[in-house]
Amino acid sequence: NAGVTQTPKFRILKIGQSMTLQCTQDMNHNYMYWYRQDPGMGLKLIYYSVGAGITDKGEVPNGYNVSRSTTEDFPLRLELAAPSQTSVYFCASSYSPLHDNEQFFGPGTRLTVL
Amino acid sequence: TQLLEQSPQFLSIQEGENLTVYCNSSSVFSSLQWYRQEPGEGPVLLVTVVTGGEVKKLKRLTFQFGDARKDSSLHITAAQPGDTGLYLCAGAQRSSNTGKLIFGQGTTLQVKP
Repeated sequence: NAGVTQTPKFRILKIGQSMTLQCTQDMNHNYMYWYRQDPGMGLKLIYYSVGAGITDKGEVPNGYNVSRSTTEDFPLRLELAAPSQTSVYFCASSYSPLHDNEQFFGPGTRLTVL
Repeated sequence: TQLLEQSPQFLSIQEGENLTVYCNSSSVFSSLQWYRQEPGEGPVLLVTVVTGGEVKKLKRLTFQFGDARKDSSLHITAAQPGDTGLYLCAGAQRSSNTGKLIFGQGTTLQVKP
């Protein structure tokens, strides 16, 4: 199993450009999450999905969109990149929504918006 | 808004020293998870504590969940350079059917040889 994979690993965008961050998991997990991590701020939830075709906003959804057409894939779309979106983005998945269930994280995408 | 406060934010110690990291909230959580993150990688789960007052040991790491399930601590005995990394606590709600976690801001640990 590859687990959770993310592409690209690094990206530099100009203000106003758009891009899609890819996330794929091969563990047949229904639950998937997108986080952003800024220095000293921990992980903030952007969007999450409880299964194919179902997505919902997290704590910091503004400026982002997601889709979940398959169980495996959960892409994150930035439409009009802004400097405030400079961050490291992590995708995660879990088997169950139970409160003690582990989340498995991808290696992250480091995005810089100039 | 539920918050998890971690302290300290940064810790730089010599190999062999002991340390404790704290994770506190005014909210009650049904479980607390501790993750460790190395540079350039995603967080990896270390442990989950579920019962108030629970203590779990993982080699030189001891995790405790507060009696009221509002706080947790991570104690490392005789720290080694391999313990260097970012430690994150994360809380979950039993009532949630989404699996969402609330993360603390993290504690960066540097262990010098």
